[in-house]
Amino acid sequence: DQQVKQNSPSLSVQEGRISILNCDYTNSMFDYFLWYKKYPAEGPTFLISISSIKDKNEDGRFTVFLNKSAKHLSLHIVPSQPGDSAVYFCAAKWRRGGADGLTFGKGTHLIIQP
Amino acid sequence: GAGVSQSPSNKVTEKGKDVELRCDPISGHTALYWYRQSLGQGLEFLIYFQGNSAPDKSGLPSDRFSAERTGGSVSTLTIQRTQQEDSAVYLCASSFNNGGWSRQYFGPGTRLTVL
Repeated sequence: DQQVKQNSPSLSVQEGRISILNCDYTNSMFDYFLWYKKYPAEGPTFLISISSIKDKNEDGRFTVFLNKSAKHLSLHIVPSQPGDSAVYFCAAKWRRGGADGLTFGKGTHLIIQP
Repeated sequence: GAGVSQSPSNKVTEKGKDVELRCDPISGHTALYWYRQSLGQGLEFLIYFQGNSAPDKSGLPSDRFSAERTGGSVSTLTIQRTQQEDSAVYLCASSFNNGGWSRQYFGPGTRLTVL
């Protein structure tokens, strides 16, 4: 059972427009949510996070919104730039046995078109 | 400073052979994680180390998979009698867990292909 779902395998957006990537989760015990960005042949790199007690976190062109009642979060990138083309993973943090682990979605491939 | 490194970057092996994948975490990071990404899937948690001990092995898919960490640093993930479904990118991450939460830094991964 997938606890973190990214239902759009790919998304194409024109340069300069807003990119909106969506993520749904099922486990209400997750206390932190993160977005990672991944280029081919590289490991994921951290982009932005949000605590479950917040509903918005902004960092430059990137904003993450959290709707706890809907168990939904989204990443907004505005304006979108060519370098934003990558696979974006939504992740949710859990705590077990004294460890903090991450459960990832399957990713959304964002393509920024010139 | 240096990031998380993994070796080899690519490994092709025959079904039934054993393989060892290596992870060098960021110096000083106490926690180390192994994940794998199969084709078309998200990152799947395998195992976590705090220091040299692994309190959570629940993600290991079968008893053919094992991992160890020595000296609180380097970790190796061993897959015995590899099967074709083991083909995936194996990612290692490390973090500095000092009692609070610290985000994970990922290595570039090892692409394993089992023929």
